[in-house]
Amino acid sequence: GAGVSQSPRYKVAKRGQDVALRCDPISGHVSLFWYQQALGQGPEFLTYFQNEAQLDKSGLPSDRFFAERPEGSVSTLKIQRTQQEDSAVYLCASSLGGRGQSEQFFGPGTRLTVL
Amino acid sequence: AQRVTQPEKLLSVFKGAPVELKCNYSYSGSPELFWYVQYSRQRLQLLLRHISRESIKGFTADLNKGETSFHLKKPFAQEEDSAMYYCALSGSGGSYIPTFGRGTSLIVHP
Repeated sequence: GAGVSQSPRYKVAKRGQDVALRCDPISGHVSLFWYQQALGQGPEFLTYFQNEAQLDKSGLPSDRFFAERPEGSVSTLKIQRTQQEDSAVYLCASSLGGRGQSEQFFGPGTRLTVL
Repeated sequence: AQRVTQPEKLLSVFKGAPVELKCNYSYSGSPELFWYVQYSRQRLQLLLRHISRESIKGFTADLNKGETSFHLKKPFAQEEDSAMYYCALSGSGGSYIPTFGRGTSLIVHP
């Protein structure tokens, strides 16, 4: 079956523009994670959903970042008034079980460049 | 706070040589540890996790709680092992936020 998909794969935004990044997890996966990966770094946790509930958003760097998963499947990460420091690869991962102890399946990522 | 340290940014070896990618962690409870791998132009994928105690593609990793380490080892490296390797930790119980190391790039020369 299909794995985790993300769109768009690449996004160039002008500073101050709003962007929306989409994640389609594997069907039936309960958990969904968003990560931010800066160049030369490992993935940094942003937020976690268990079904439609956002259980943890402690990693979101500012109130310009917002994520939702309204029906417990597709998720959207929105960044308002983008800044240059938001440039990174945004990864989505899903897992069958709850919490972080199950294997995570990653999407290909969205590379965001803010000019 | 939980932390994962991968001290080597780059590890370069010749085919057939032994490989050890280092990972040290800091966590007050019982950790769940993973190694993820990202081959060129592919997505991040799980290589192995400590509780399964498996050997995947010839790689093994042993959790050493005394040294708080989870080093990844392979006795004879192959060219196809060239990739980016990330060590990750997830806490047990209430703390589940996955923490990743910065990654080690392994290059295996022919």
